[in-house]
Amino acid sequence: GAGVSQSPRYKVAKRGQDVALRCDPISGHVSLFWYQQALGQGPEFLTYFQNEAQLDKSGLPSDRFFAERPEGSVSTLKIQRTQQEDSAVYLCASSFDAGSSYEQYFGPGTRLTVT
Amino acid sequence: AQSVAQPEDQVNVAEGNPLTVKCTYSVSGNPYLFWYVQYPNRGLQFLLKYITGDNLVKGSYGFEAEFNKSQTSFHLKKPSALVSDSALYFCAVGARNSGYSTLTFGKGTMLLVSP
Repeated sequence: GAGVSQSPRYKVAKRGQDVALRCDPISGHVSLFWYQQALGQGPEFLTYFQNEAQLDKSGLPSDRFFAERPEGSVSTLKIQRTQQEDSAVYLCASSFDAGSSYEQYFGPGTRLTVT
Repeated sequence: AQSVAQPEDQVNVAEGNPLTVKCTYSVSGNPYLFWYVQYPNRGLQFLLKYITGDNLVKGSYGFEAEFNKSQTSFHLKKPSALVSDSALYFCAVGARNSGYSTLTFGKGTMLLVSP
């Protein structure tokens, strides 16, 4: 079946612009995660959804970052007034259920470059 | 707070030789442990996980990992390396005591297998 998809794959934004990154999880997956991966680093947790509920947003670096999953499937990560330090790969992952033991399936990521 | 250490930035091995990629972790309570592999311009792919039970876990592509509670380690191993195994490998730990799991990743280890 289809995996996790993300769009766009690459995004170049001028500093101060708003961007929206889309994630289509695997159909039927309850859990959805967003991670930020800086160059040469492992992914770092941003936020977690269980169906449409955002249960954890402790990793969002500032109030310029906002995520939603209104119908419990597709999710959007929005970054307002982008800054150069926002340049990174943004990864979306989904898992079958909410339990801690379920492995997460990752999309290919969106590479954001802020100039 | 949970953490993962991958002490080697890069591991070099000749094709046909055994390989080991090291990982140690720190977490409150019993851990869930994962290994993921990342190929260029692609998302992370799940390799294997330890949840409970047998300390030796077998996963995809002939990889296995050994959970060692006393040493808080979860090293990735393969008896005979292939050139196609060359990629970036991430170890991750998830907290067991929450209803969901926000994974904490190591920085990654680049595995280079020479012909």
